[in-house]
Order: sequence, then C-alpha cells, then structure tokens
Amino acid sequence: DADVTQTPRNRITKTGKRIMLECSQTKGHDRMYWYRQDPGLGLRLIYYSFDVKDINKGEISDGYSVSRQAQAKFSLSLESAIPNQTALYFCATSDSTSGIIDEQFFGPGTRLTVL
Amino acid sequence: KQEVTQIPAALSVPEGENLVLNCSFTDSAIYNLQWFRQDPGKGLTSLLLIQSSQREQTSGRLNASLDKSSGRSTLYIAASQPGDSATYLCAVMDSSYKLIFGSGTRLLVRP
Repeated sequence: DADVTQTPRNRITKTGKRIMLECSQTKGHDRMYWYRQDPGLGLRLIYYSFDVKDINKGEISDGYSVSRQAQAKFSLSLESAIPNQTALYFCATSDSTSGIIDEQFFGPGTRLTVL
Repeated sequence: KQEVTQIPAALSVPEGENLVLNCSFTDSAIYNLQWFRQDPGKGLTSLLLIQSSQREQTSGRLNASLDKSSGRSTLYIAASQPGDSATYLCAVMDSSYKLIFGSGTRLLVRP
C-alpha cells in the first residue's frame, strides 16, 4: 500500500463550486505539505503544517484553505473554484526527527479541472 | 528570494549516452537539495538527496553533485536507457524548511 495517498485522483468541477482534496499518510511523519503544479512548471507550495496545531501559508495560498485533522490527515479546500486553479495537486510529508533533514515524500497527485 | 533554474528545459539523446542535467540556485543558504523523477501524469519519485554538508551522492547509474558556494548541482546519468525518459526536477530546501523547485528538464532517451 502507498505511504501517501490522495483522494480523489481526478476531479472535474465547475466555477464557483467548493472542492476538498484529501491526503492521508501512514509514514508517521509530523510535517505535511500541499503543492500545485502547472504545465511545464515546477511545484509551488500552497500550505504546510509542521504539526497538528501548526498551519502556515506558502507561496500561493490565496483562494485555498487547509485543515490538519490529525497527524496523518491534511486536507486542501478550494472555497469557490476558478478556472486558473486547474492544475495537478500534490501532497507531501516529511519527518523532522529523522537523521536526513526533511526529505519529502510525495503522493500520486490529484488532477483538478475547473470548467 | 530563492530561485531555482534548470537547464536544459528538454533533452533528447540516443540510448547508451552519458548525460548531465544542471540545476542552479540563487541563495546558498540551503539545508539540502533533492533530485526527483516525474513520469507523465504521475507523482514524484525521490532519486537523491544531498545534505548541505555533502558534495555528492550516488545511486546506481545516478550521481548528483552539489557546489553550494557557486549555487550549482548536477545530475549525471550513466549509460542512459529508454526507461530513464521522464522529467527530472531539482529542489532546494531553504532556511525556513520549504522546498523550492525548478521547472524541470524533460528527458527523452531514444532506443
């Protein structure tokens, strides 16, 4: 079984709809991240959480919100989706207590299309 | 603000060639640098992580080097194979523990 899972894997929605993307991990890591990737570009950080009570904005947080329901779960919400939020979304985790400083492990991604 | 650049954006080589992918970053205050592989429509697979105190890491046919003072890293792939075809992403972890990504190099290895 995959260590970092994302649901749904694909989603098509309409402008103005509320969407939630979910991420779960079985790695026991304390840190979790949400990124988006646009065609031909690298990943950009949306939000990150260093533990259950810690939420931080990343580079491109406008239009998004997150919830860290438990150490293993981190959800990303689009309150009112717009077409330029069409992208590939990735969740990642890392372990701050490991000997290797914050190596990040990525989920398979969610392809979101906003019409 | 940390910026990461990868050159070339795309590369096509015949099978068996050795090749080098380049990554440069503007701020040398980094904790580590990671190289990832991404297959079309798929997630990221971590290939190599070099901590800021290290100069290189090797895994099989892959070798990654880091020159923090000049803000450069290279990924060397020996004896390339068609299965190596993918996009290769470089990312640096900045002083606030955030990963900053380059836009990637799209590699095609022709049989």
